[in-house]
Amino acid sequence: SQQGEEDPQALSIQEGENATMNCSYKTSINNLQWYRQNSGRGLVHLILIRSNEREKHSGRLRVTLDTSKKSSSLLITASRAADTASYFCATDGNDYKLSFGAGTTVTVRA
Amino acid sequence: GAGVSQSPSNKVTEKGKDVELRCDPISGHTALYWYRQSLGQGLEFLIYFQGNSAPDKSGLPSDRFSAERTGGSVSTLTIQRTQQEDSAVYLCASSLSLFAVRTGELFFGEGSRLTVL
Repeated sequence: SQQGEEDPQALSIQEGENATMNCSYKTSINNLQWYRQNSGRGLVHLILIRSNEREKHSGRLRVTLDTSKKSSSLLITASRAADTASYFCATDGNDYKLSFGAGTTVTVRA
Repeated sequence: GAGVSQSPSNKVTEKGKDVELRCDPISGHTALYWYRQSLGQGLEFLIYFQGNSAPDKSGLPSDRFSAERTGGSVSTLTIQRTQQEDSAVYLCASSLSLFAVRTGELFFGEGSRLTVL
């Protein structure tokens, strides 16, 4: 079963705007990761945040984690057309499986 | 190879036929994962391998699904007597180790799109 659930399911923004998406999960985690999937392609790892971290930055990406609420958010600043993709959060528990949510589809309009 | 390679990229089959999907992981990667992605859905875990062993087969949807890995490299996912609900993209991913999966070092192939008519 899927551990994470992303919100919203779909997001359409203008180029240059920020995109924010959220992920909620059910059980305790070691790390939370975000992946991107371009249409018809495999997933690509974007960023990882550990369970003892609250915020992390990588380029135009900002991830937050609130373990008390079992939720995370991914912010993409100054979006570009190339950011058009689906974004998934993935969590790990006491095993070596990554559990993925259903994803947020982001469309960046030129 | 440079990345995870999957074949075929597209497969159309008739209900009741068997299909085999192949995954060539990145050279040297000992961990290999299979996921299924139905249209507009997230990724459903199927099975993972550490070397040639599959410690966790709990994600396989039914006994029509099986997977093997030989020589610690190539893996084959076999679906017998395919059903329409098996239509999906089957994604393979590999990692240097099971631990590396937790640190974001999981690399995906582009998937095999299966359509069962």
